[in-house]
Amino acid sequence: EADIYQTPRYLVIGTGKKITLECSQTMGHDKMYWYQQDPGMELHLIHYSYGVNSTEKGDLSSESTVSRIRTEHFPLTLESARPSHTSQYLCASSERGGDEKLFFGSGTQLSVL
Amino acid sequence: RKEVEQDPGPFNVPEGATVAFNCTYSNSASQSFFWYRQDCRKEPKLLMSVYSSGNEDGRFTAQLNRASQYISLLIRDSKLSDSATYLCVVTRGAAGNKLTFGGGTRVLVKP
Repeated sequence: EADIYQTPRYLVIGTGKKITLECSQTMGHDKMYWYQQDPGMELHLIHYSYGVNSTEKGDLSSESTVSRIRTEHFPLTLESARPSHTSQYLCASSERGGDEKLFFGSGTQLSVL
Repeated sequence: RKEVEQDPGPFNVPEGATVAFNCTYSNSASQSFFWYRQDCRKEPKLLMSVYSSGNEDGRFTAQLNRASQYISLLIRDSKLSDSATYLCVVTRGAAGNKLTFGGGTRVLVKP
């Protein structure tokens, strides 16, 4: 089993609130990712990091931001949540130089009212 | 055209039957290929990597056809527990970084 954890599992919040979705992994993986997935739809990469102090935007434009101060931690922040941010957010990690096998966390289901 | 395309299904499969489906990709420089399984409202989990020579893991067989730019997954002796969405994943470009997910093929195995 992969050791990658996301909290909270579910979050219901009002419009305009600042939120941070937590993601931590204990595998020492250099690469970490955030994906967004709506029900029945495909995963879209919104952020990725190849190591400490490295962050890049993914394919899908997102108003969220990320930070990578420690190898094991890759939090995602929304400064002002809106209903359009309602979605499932999945964090993943993989080894540097590996064959890109991704290990996913259980996800955070975000609902913005 | 999407980079990675899959038939969304659902494929309704009688228990014990064989089911197979493909995934096409548009970037001929893609290097690595994977099948992931995703259960409803759960995270994707790696099912198997797809090697050039094809590979088998129990009841699951994956194959790669570079000339026609598709990969396939075959499930033999389907179990009820095989019901899930199967995601095709392809690395983008020769650098091998960045993965692109297909939209998934939904499989429903029925008694």
